[in-house]
Amino acid sequence: GAGVSQSPSNKVTEKGKDVELRCDPISGHTALYWYRQSLGQGLEFLIYFQGNSAPDKSGLPSDRFSAERTGGSVSTLTIQRTQQEDSAVYLCASSLNRAGLVMATGELFFGEGSRLTVL
Amino acid sequence: QKEVEQNSGPLSVPEGAIASLNCTYSDRGSQSFFWYRQYSGKSPELIMSIYSNGDKEDGRFTAQLNKASQYVSLLIRDSQPSDSATYLCAVTAGRRALTFGSGTRLQVQP
Repeated sequence: GAGVSQSPSNKVTEKGKDVELRCDPISGHTALYWYRQSLGQGLEFLIYFQGNSAPDKSGLPSDRFSAERTGGSVSTLTIQRTQQEDSAVYLCASSLNRAGLVMATGELFFGEGSRLTVL
Repeated sequence: QKEVEQNSGPLSVPEGAIASLNCTYSDRGSQSFFWYRQYSGKSPELIMSIYSNGDKEDGRFTAQLNKASQYVSLLIRDSQPSDSATYLCAVTAGRRALTFGSGTRLQVQP
């Protein structure tokens, strides 16, 4: 597709359930990022994938959060045993970032986000 | 201390005025600086990038960087109601993921 695609756009779940959020980046983009945004807040970094390198997981808030990227393309963010504080919009972004080129990291193309509500 | 700090606003300016948005950052090793615009209910989009001290102009937008003061700003000339949005400052410090501020909400009054 032309842009970053995320699904589902909205997810309502009960506390304690697991959820999976999907991101399909722009074709050819080597870097993929997950951020989350709580109401009225800025973007909180979660995890970053660059090509075949080990992902930067430094932003994951707890071991209930995990993400994978299959075949260097589609990524899935999994939240286990969801809590109410997990409620937020989860944004995926991709870029043409080439490792070592700092200036290339700035233009992130964001998807429309997945709004997660944990009851 | 937050890594990237912005006044949450709202900053209210009349149509045609200059809007000045400010951002400070804590990591002196930061190398690249960006301004993203986010309309309500939408995702952020990049509007400006700046890498060296001084000013960078693009149309009605000017980004200003002062690394000694750890300060970056965005000026919007001839502000239009369509500029009303939240403006997010983002910084990289050699790490590969951008660190975002919490954003400043701008309201341009017709």
